[in-house]
Amino acid sequence: QSVLTQSPSASGTPGQRVTISCSGSSSNIGSNAVIWYQLLPGTAPKLLIYSSNQRPSGVPDRFSGSKSGTSASLAISGLQSEDEAIYYCSTWDDSLKGVIFGGGTKLTVL
Amino acid sequence: QVQLQESGPGLVKPSETLSLSCIVSSGSVATDSHYSSWIRQSPGKGLEWIGYISYSGSTNYNPSLRSRVTMSVDKAKNQFSLRLTSVTAADTAVYFCASSVGGTTFDIWGQGIAVTVSS
Repeated sequence: QSVLTQSPSASGTPGQRVTISCSGSSSNIGSNAVIWYQLLPGTAPKLLIYSSNQRPSGVPDRFSGSKSGTSASLAISGLQSEDEAIYYCSTWDDSLKGVIFGGGTKLTVL
Repeated sequence: QVQLQESGPGLVKPSETLSLSCIVSSGSVATDSHYSSWIRQSPGKGLEWIGYISYSGSTNYNPSLRSRVTMSVDKAKNQFSLRLTSVTAADTAVYFCASSVGGTTFDIWGQGIAVTVSS
């Protein structure tokens, strides 16, 4: 069981806005930046969001991140079929003294 | 753009040692700000951080794996390596090498290598 909690699945239709949440505690999200990754089958995982709300160059501005207290969210607007993937949140945990991941959210574009 | 590629055996016997390498191309292995990291994904499960090693050789391992993990950097070959001892079926996973900023943000990943632990 992951220290960070994510809903196992999410879905949306093309053009919609979808939000994926990640819940943690004061020792992880509450005190550290959140990172989001996109995993597509057979491809290298991709960094989507770092420092809770920053996009690396090349990541479309349809992807945005936010953090409040011990929770974080990834929002995808203008949903596209190629966004169908598994999304993971991650952060540092001060108690465990290591990097932790959420269980992943499988996004389906209907 | 730095590229990473994992290499190693796809099958390891129980109780033996899993050894993987990550070859770095179009760049240098680890820098003062980047750490060489390993992450794995077991079948049907999420991502698990294994640990990282800095350019200077300092390491930080997942506490749950610390007793079995060793990471190293070979600057001359521009690659870094992972050794995991006394493997069991629970170590069956896709293993990714990655470059991480400050040890926590994995900005460049390899494609991953599937490793099965079975006799």
